[in-house]
Amino acid sequence: NAGVMQNPRHLVRRRGQEARLRCSPMKGHSHVYWYRQLPEEGLKFMVYLQKENIIDESGMPKERFSAEFPKEGPSILRIQQVVRGDSAAYFCASSQGLAKNIQYFGAGTRLSVL
Amino acid sequence: GQNIDQPTEMTATEGAIVQINCTYQTSGFNGLFWYQQHAGEAPTFLSYNVLDGLEEKGRFSSFLSRSKGYSYLLLKELQMKDSASYLCAVRDMGSGTYKYIFGTGTRLKVLA
Repeated sequence: NAGVMQNPRHLVRRRGQEARLRCSPMKGHSHVYWYRQLPEEGLKFMVYLQKENIIDESGMPKERFSAEFPKEGPSILRIQQVVRGDSAAYFCASSQGLAKNIQYFGAGTRLSVL
Repeated sequence: GQNIDQPTEMTATEGAIVQINCTYQTSGFNGLFWYQQHAGEAPTFLSYNVLDGLEEKGRFSSFLSRSKGYSYLLLKELQMKDSASYLCAVRDMGSGTYKYIFGTGTRLKVLA
């Protein structure tokens, strides 16, 4: 059973470009969470999605950031017109949504904005 | 508000026991999780507590006291590979949906 898959592992963008981060949840998981982590800091919640629905996007900046989890295919975190401050590790986690609702994390995408 | 506190760094010796504390304040507590994260890697799940008491899993144990807003992770028979960050996370239902709040992590260094 494959774990949570994120790609790319590393992404380099110039200021003003778009960044697309992909996350395929574990098999059988319908809940996806995106987090951002800066060096020496904790994980900051961004957005929580179920298939075709955004459940909670309170941690995501209102501008330039968007997320989706379509019926088919991976969840996408999109950052438009990237700025240097967007450089960070972005982690995706998935869960079954049952009682314990344990989150399992992908290896992350490290975004560097030049 | 929502807040999680844990020590920034700890150092221990191979073979010893170390306890990493975590205190939290949330409006709708619904479970506490511990994760291990090696530098540059994904957090990996270690333990889950929702009721008061101790949960033991091999060399790792986790304790929860909901009335005190307090948890600890106990690592026994420390090994060099245990050098990592340990993240305390609380699931909060105060806003009506699941939200996971992570502490900044405790960097554990295990010395030979």
